[in-house]
Amino acid sequence: AQSVTQLGSHVSVSEGALVLLRCNYSSSVPPYLFWYVQYPNQGLQLLLKYTSAATLVKGINGFEAEFKKSETSFHLTKPSAHMSDAAEYFCAVSLQAGTALIFGKGTTLSVSS
Amino acid sequence: EAQVTQNPRYLITVTGKKLTVTCSQNMNHEYMSWYRQDPGLGLRQIYYSMNVEVTDKGDVPEGYKVSRKEKRNFPLILESPSPNQTSLYFCASSLWGGSSYNEQFFGPGTRLTVL
Repeated sequence: AQSVTQLGSHVSVSEGALVLLRCNYSSSVPPYLFWYVQYPNQGLQLLLKYTSAATLVKGINGFEAEFKKSETSFHLTKPSAHMSDAAEYFCAVSLQAGTALIFGKGTTLSVSS
Repeated sequence: EAQVTQNPRYLITVTGKKLTVTCSQNMNHEYMSWYRQDPGLGLRQIYYSMNVEVTDKGDVPEGYKVSRKEKRNFPLILESPSPNQTSLYFCASSLWGGSSYNEQFFGPGTRLTVL
């Protein structure tokens, strides 16, 4: 069965610093991978998704993620953090259309000035 | 505007009092799903539906019911709520079909407290 592990439930960075949120997945077949963001008191918004077209995926708000099959990872990065990036981030995996998204437990990103 | 709406957004109720949380989408999506979000556990799927009159259990279906009589609506029913169902609930929808996975769009959430 597939699963998702997000390393670090809380990450703190300074404004302008690199953001790195880690996600490792477990899957017996090539998966579909997603990063969602949840701002306070809001629903989830898709940041980016990997669906086997390209290993480096660019998303909204300057975020990107790289699919590394050998490491079973899909880490999320942003070169320079903004205060507005403070939110909870979820990595999710799905094997195919019509199956559930399996979410990681989330990583809360704090950004200090 | 394309969206998923949920009502109510906040609900406080008592143990055993039946309640329904409504979910509606205006994007003509086939796939709809309910998740619950609990601190430290992420989101877990309760039920999903691949089309009208087609529903199936997710990972945590106990204590919940759903129905899909119309394509746009997917209500979540708690026949006899208990305190362990206190949670934040999200409805989501997406296109479905073929080998490509389509983005799931999420509603704003319903915060339920069962006393």
